[in-house]
Amino acid sequence: AQTVTQSQPEMSVQEAETVTLSCTYDTSESDYYLFWYKQPPSRQMILVIRQEAYKQQNATENRFSVNFQKAAKSFSLKISDSQLGDAAMYFCAYSNQGGSEKLVFGKGTKLTVNP
Amino acid sequence: EPEVTQTPSHQVTQMGQEVILRCVPISNHLYFYWYRQILGQKVEFLVSFYNNEISEKSEIFDDQFSVERPDGSNFTLKIRSTKLEDSAMYFCASTAWRGDEQYFGPGTRLTVT
Repeated sequence: AQTVTQSQPEMSVQEAETVTLSCTYDTSESDYYLFWYKQPPSRQMILVIRQEAYKQQNATENRFSVNFQKAAKSFSLKISDSQLGDAAMYFCAYSNQGGSEKLVFGKGTKLTVNP
Repeated sequence: EPEVTQTPSHQVTQMGQEVILRCVPISNHLYFYWYRQILGQKVEFLVSFYNNEISEKSEIFDDQFSVERPDGSNFTLKIRSTKLEDSAMYFCASTAWRGDEQYFGPGTRLTVT
């Protein structure tokens, strides 16, 4: 079964600085998707960024970018120019290609942004 | 912008009672999911649903759980006889095609006393 590991339960960053959240995963599949979801205190799950495993180019969405290392099974999220609104739980998630494509989540990293 | 909605936002029930959690997925989506999150823990997959049938279910999704899409718009999760350990946030999600972003509803917080 696939597993997702987030080794940093908590991280903090100063406003306007850059922070990187780590994620590793375990799978024997070659085709899959990776996601970062943000969960603010409201507990709504919001997609931050999505990466397709067959694409070598790292995904970017404005201030958010990933470092996808397929061989190392690593998928870290970089947040640049951190803003107070970025404070939230961040979940890394994996989905197989084919089948139901359920999401398998890591335990999350709580990000605090200090003014 | 289309969104997934869930009702109720908070449900309190007594142990042994039946509850039905309701979701309205985005209208052109075809794949539906239920997840749950026990407070302070990670989000766990419960069940996926496509073409009016379950496509996959987790070990958590035992005989006490069932899902239904009764009318082409609603997607429900029923827990037949609730237990204390069923207390959690339940999220519904939907997607237009597999591998795409799953859009999550705001969740139903279930408290079993």
